[in-house]
Amino acid sequence: GENVEQHPSTLSVQEGDSAVIKCTYSDSASNYFPWYKQELGKGPQLIIDIRSNVGEKKDQRIAVTLNKTAKHFSLHITETQPEDSAVYFCAAINSGGGADGLTFGKGTHLIIQP
Amino acid sequence: DSGVTQTPKHLITATGQRVTLRCSPRSGDLSVYWYQQSLDQGLQFLIQYYNGEERAKGNILERFSAQQFPDLHSELNLSSLELGDSALYFCASSGLGNSYNEQFFGPGTRLTVL
Repeated sequence: GENVEQHPSTLSVQEGDSAVIKCTYSDSASNYFPWYKQELGKGPQLIIDIRSNVGEKKDQRIAVTLNKTAKHFSLHITETQPEDSAVYFCAAINSGGGADGLTFGKGTHLIIQP
Repeated sequence: DSGVTQTPKHLITATGQRVTLRCSPRSGDLSVYWYQQSLDQGLQFLIQYYNGEERAKGNILERFSAQQFPDLHSELNLSSLELGDSALYFCASSGLGNSYNEQFFGPGTRLTVL
């Protein structure tokens, strides 16, 4: 089955700086890669996703890149703000396969220092 | 607010007992997914239902079962509970119409087994 590795487990950045979180996946058949933000006491919130036919996607201060050859994808947050502090999860899925459950990375605790 | 609702918010019970967690998907979504989140295992896919039928199975124990009703709400039944079943249980839903179904998570049910 799919295996997703996520790094780093904790990331501390100064407010206004950029943050980058990286994930690798093992199943070359995976074709959909969402990112979720989870705040304390809440469920994961979908913030951006990318499909295997696209190399990069941007939404305001958030961008995601995908390298299918290397089987890795990254989340980039620019001009970080205090409200960006949360745990971020990457995930992968082969949407055309038999199982439709997401495989998640272990999460990155992003801390924005004022 | 994702539009996915889960009840109850918290559940405290004893080992050996049985509990039922309930989920209502976003209006119009036919797929419901159940996930377990624990400190040691992270976020793990348990099972998916699509329009009342089981669609995919993940790391779901035999003591656990689920169903989806004609009104599309779903229930996750956990029996013969063990201390290790203490976790957050999330429900997610997704809709029709595309090959890559974005999954939207509910707020979760926190289960504590004493």
